[in-house]
Amino acid sequence: GQQVMQIPQYQHVQEGEDFTTYCNSSTTLSNIQWYKQRPGGHPVFLIQLVKSGEVKKQKRLTFQFGEAKKNSSLHITATQTTDVGTYFCASGANNLFFGTGTRLTVIP
Amino acid sequence: DTAVSQTPKYLVTQMGNDKSIKCEQNLGHDTMYWYKQDSKKFLKIMFSYNNKELIINETVPNRFSPKSPDKAHLNLHINSLELGDSAVYFCASSHTGTAQETQYFGPGTRLLVL
Repeated sequence: GQQVMQIPQYQHVQEGEDFTTYCNSSTTLSNIQWYKQRPGGHPVFLIQLVKSGEVKKQKRLTFQFGEAKKNSSLHITATQTTDVGTYFCASGANNLFFGTGTRLTVIP
Repeated sequence: DTAVSQTPKYLVTQMGNDKSIKCEQNLGHDTMYWYKQDSKKFLKIMFSYNNKELIINETVPNRFSPKSPDKAHLNLHINSLELGDSAVYFCASSHTGTAQETQYFGPGTRLLVL
């Protein structure tokens, strides 16, 4: 399957700090999706990026797709305790393959 | 109103047993999936079914067999359970099965093999 590497694996931040997770691929991606999984929950779709250089925002969340379509990032501004969970990127040509995930802990 | 449902939510069983996990979606989607999530949270696809045909079969042991009686259901049967099968198993569905579609996940089945 298509390999999408995600870093960091874990991130601990103080509430109010920013957070970023990165996805990288050695090959050009047709698209990239982002999912969030709360502790004890299931992955929930956040957004999809398709175009080179695309930037999308959802309130405090900013998603970017690289110009070469080989990397993507999710940035959260001023984290809140409700942001805790594991964030996954996912991509694929015919089928969707998930990155390794970044587990975010927000310390109140 | 639950879009994708799974039963049971928790499953504790002995090594060597055979068990099944059920999944149902009421979204009218054509494709359903089974994922395994291990203790490190790695999410790996196991199978997908499109219109009752298996279209992905990643390198999973043949002790795992998906069964789809109709396009709204995809059950997972596991024979001769092993300790390493302990994980959370998620069912998911999408409209037609392309990688550009949103996948909708069920709540998961937490399997513990003793």
